[in-house]
Amino acid sequence: NAGVTQTPKFQVLKTGQSMTLQCAQDMNHNSMYWYRQDPGMGLRLIYYSASEGTTDKGEVPNGYNVSRLNKREFSLRLESAAPSQTSVYFCASRGDLPEELNRQYFGPGTRLTVT
Amino acid sequence: EDQVTQSPEALRLQEGESSSLNCSYTVSGLRGLFWYRQDPGKGPEFLFTLYSAGEEKEKERLKATLTKKESFLHITAPKPEDSATYLCAVQAGDNFNKFYFGSGTKLNVKP
Repeated sequence: NAGVTQTPKFQVLKTGQSMTLQCAQDMNHNSMYWYRQDPGMGLRLIYYSASEGTTDKGEVPNGYNVSRLNKREFSLRLESAAPSQTSVYFCASRGDLPEELNRQYFGPGTRLTVT
Repeated sequence: EDQVTQSPEALRLQEGESSSLNCSYTVSGLRGLFWYRQDPGKGPEFLFTLYSAGEEKEKERLKATLTKKESFLHITAPKPEDSATYLCAVQAGDNFNKFYFGSGTKLNVKP
């Protein structure tokens, strides 16, 4: 049981390049999330998916797109990277069972630098 | 506007020196308040969920409490391995998928 996995762990992009961050969970959770974490700021929600086939904007969606490929996988795409998107990106899933209700499980993060 | 504020930003303690971290929130319709621990270079790890004022949860040297406006994470006789950043998050309103995080308290426990 790996929990939430993310790839890659590190990435350096040049301004204007595109890339996709991958996330997968093996806990059969319905809800999945993408956050970014910047120094001095809390985790900020970029997009979320309440169930397979649905996605919704969070607090800071501009410059990003997402795909909920199936129940396990939720990817985040940067179409044209900008230096302001330099950050640490975390994927998470949310527990559905009563004993874990609303608890989020986080992946190890992707450290992205845009030059 | 929903807001979560944590204080202090950083805290240095000697081993065995007890203290408390604060998480204050202004949200409409609190559904739950969560505490997470985050070690450097890793994702947040769940500690506690609190749902209503007066509720308390304990785990080893940590105890979380909740009032109508704030939550405290009490650390009793901390050890160096308790050094980490502690994050507070709230879930509020009609949308179960909206979580608001504070910026965290970085705890350093010296031996």
